[in-house]
Amino acid sequence: KNQVEQSPQSLIILEGKNCTLQCNYTVSPFSNLRWYKQDTGRGPVSLTIMTFSENTKSNGRYTATLDADTKQSSLHITASQLSDSASYICVVSANRDDKIIFGKGTRLHILP
Amino acid sequence: NAGVTQTPKFQVLKTGQSMTLQCAQDMNHEYMSWYRQDPGMGLRLIHYSVGAGITDQGEVPNGYNVSRSTTEDFPLRLLSAAPSQTSVYFCASSYSTSGLNYSPLHFGNGTRLTVT
Repeated sequence: KNQVEQSPQSLIILEGKNCTLQCNYTVSPFSNLRWYKQDTGRGPVSLTIMTFSENTKSNGRYTATLDADTKQSSLHITASQLSDSASYICVVSANRDDKIIFGKGTRLHILP
Repeated sequence: NAGVTQTPKFQVLKTGQSMTLQCAQDMNHEYMSWYRQDPGMGLRLIHYSVGAGITDQGEVPNGYNVSRSTTEDFPLRLLSAAPSQTSVYFCASSYSTSGLNYSPLHFGNGTRLTVT
């Protein structure tokens, strides 16, 4: 069964600290993996996409990694800011039937 | 560009009432979809459309209808509201849904619906 599992469910860190969010998937055949950021009261916005051949990709203070062998991805946030408080959703696309499978998200709280 | 626009932002209905959630996009995207988001659950696909005149069911279609008469608009109709339909509803569009094309979903800011 195609599944996307994210951990932790929620995370609280102090402003300026780093953190890493995890995403494990069992989607097959794998096409790509996206991380979305969802601010409170808003729709999700794409942060980055990882394809099969990519191991690491950065977008400002956000760095995503992908290990296609172990079917794991991580999103690392460096020097967190209050504006990073949001839910982060891992979404995996399958080549078959164009399916898009959503994780339940990690809720990140940045404290001043 | 406005992107994906959803109206209304908030709505309260009584059980049995019907209503339409509006969604419009100005990016000329062929693919449009409706999701519901409930606490502790991921986004779940209700209905989707790959172009004007074409609609299909997603994961949780019961109690909802859609139509796609134009590329821009994709309204979601609740036929007879039930408390189980209390949720936040998101409309999303994409240039392509094909995983091979790696196109992101562009989401609206949601409609928070409460059914009493």
